[in-house]
Amino acid sequence: GNSVTQMEGPVTLSEEAFLTINCTYTATGYPSLFWYVQYPGEGLQLLLKATKADDKGSNKGFEATYRKETTSFHLEKGSVQVSDSAVYFCALSDQGGNKLVFGAGTILRVKS
Amino acid sequence: GAGVSQSPSNKVTEKGKDVELRCDPISGHTALYWYRQSLGQGLEFLIYFQGNSAPDKSGLPSDRFSAERTGGSVSTLTIQRTQQEDSAVYLCASSQPGTSTYEQYFGPGTRLTVT
Repeated sequence: GNSVTQMEGPVTLSEEAFLTINCTYTATGYPSLFWYVQYPGEGLQLLLKATKADDKGSNKGFEATYRKETTSFHLEKGSVQVSDSAVYFCALSDQGGNKLVFGAGTILRVKS
Repeated sequence: GAGVSQSPSNKVTEKGKDVELRCDPISGHTALYWYRQSLGQGLEFLIYFQGNSAPDKSGLPSDRFSAERTGGSVSTLTIQRTQQEDSAVYLCASSQPGTSTYEQYFGPGTRLTVT
């Protein structure tokens, strides 16, 4: 079945550091890929998305590129802020779109 | 417009009692999903509705769990004879099929604690 694997956290960075959170997936066909973010005490919010190979999703300085050859969708940001501290979830939706399959989540802590 | 809303936001119940959790999706969204977020299991899919029917119930963990949706809108997730392992945050999401991305919008969740 479909699955998503994320790098384990927590990831602790200093402000303005470069961020990469790795995400790889296993799926049949051509899934859509997503990054969701959960800030402390808040619900899940869609951060960015990509629907086909080589698409780049971007939002709030975060980027991720849909790499079909490596089945990856790594999240990157060039300069993190304390306010980026949150839990980040990589997810896929199969072609039927009837459910999201999530990775385990990666805690990001940014120190000032 | 308004987002997905869920009620109650918190629920504490005694083991063995039944609970009902409610979800109001975004107006016009025909697809509705329930997920569960717990420490040990991460984010798990429970059930998917398209309109009032549920073509995928594969994530419901036992027959103590059931869900319904009426009028293509509000959904209720019912847990009978609650157990301590049911303690989790129950999340509802909605989407509008036919879009290319199957983007789901999540509610704030109901935190269920079974004592």
